[in-house]
Amino acid sequence: DVKVTQSSRYLVKRTGEKVFLECVQDMDHENMFWYRQDPGLGLRLIYFSYDVKMKEKGDIPEGYSVSREKKERFSLILESASTNQTSMYLCASIRDNQNTEAFFGQGTRLTVV
Amino acid sequence: GQSLEQPSEVTAVEGAIVQINCTYQTSGFYGLSWYQQHDGGAPTFLSYNGLDGLEETGRFSSFLSRSDSYGYLLLQELQMKDSASYFCVAYTGTASKLTFGTGTRLQVTL
Repeated sequence: DVKVTQSSRYLVKRTGEKVFLECVQDMDHENMFWYRQDPGLGLRLIYFSYDVKMKEKGDIPEGYSVSREKKERFSLILESASTNQTSMYLCASIRDNQNTEAFFGQGTRLTVV
Repeated sequence: GQSLEQPSEVTAVEGAIVQINCTYQTSGFYGLSWYQQHDGGAPTFLSYNGLDGLEETGRFSSFLSRSDSYGYLLLQELQMKDSASYFCVAYTGTASKLTFGTGTRLQVTL
């Protein structure tokens, strides 16, 4: 089974802190994604990556950056956390552009105080 | 921009059939998927339509009409465990960008 693991289930950070959310997949998938999920808004794409060191902005990249130094790991960085970044963050991966099934991690509930 | 519209809530009785609609406005579209998410859980893949028409997987079927920018998920013989949120997802671009709809919360009642 594909496993997508997010480093923390719950996280509380202070406004202004630099926050790292880590995601690791163990099935050699090429494409990885970061979403945030808020009530009534569905999942909104922050960034995605289709190869090591390659990244593309999603629909709401402002205030975020990403890093993909190794194929299995995709990190989301909040450069200076703000209260409006309090949300559920979900990481996902897909094997490659010819596949259609995305596998999700269990999510990180981030609270910025 | 990309947008996918779904009804926010649907309620149906156990054993019934329910259809969840999705209309989309996207560029570079090449397919539509459906995902299920139970409260507190991660989204899980249900189906994918790359071509127009109906795809059937057990009790679930999904339909796509590219000319109408429209798709639906059909759930038959509803069970209580089907109570969850359902998302349509557009696949666009050359790098498999996945854009989620706003989600439909399905409540199955006795």
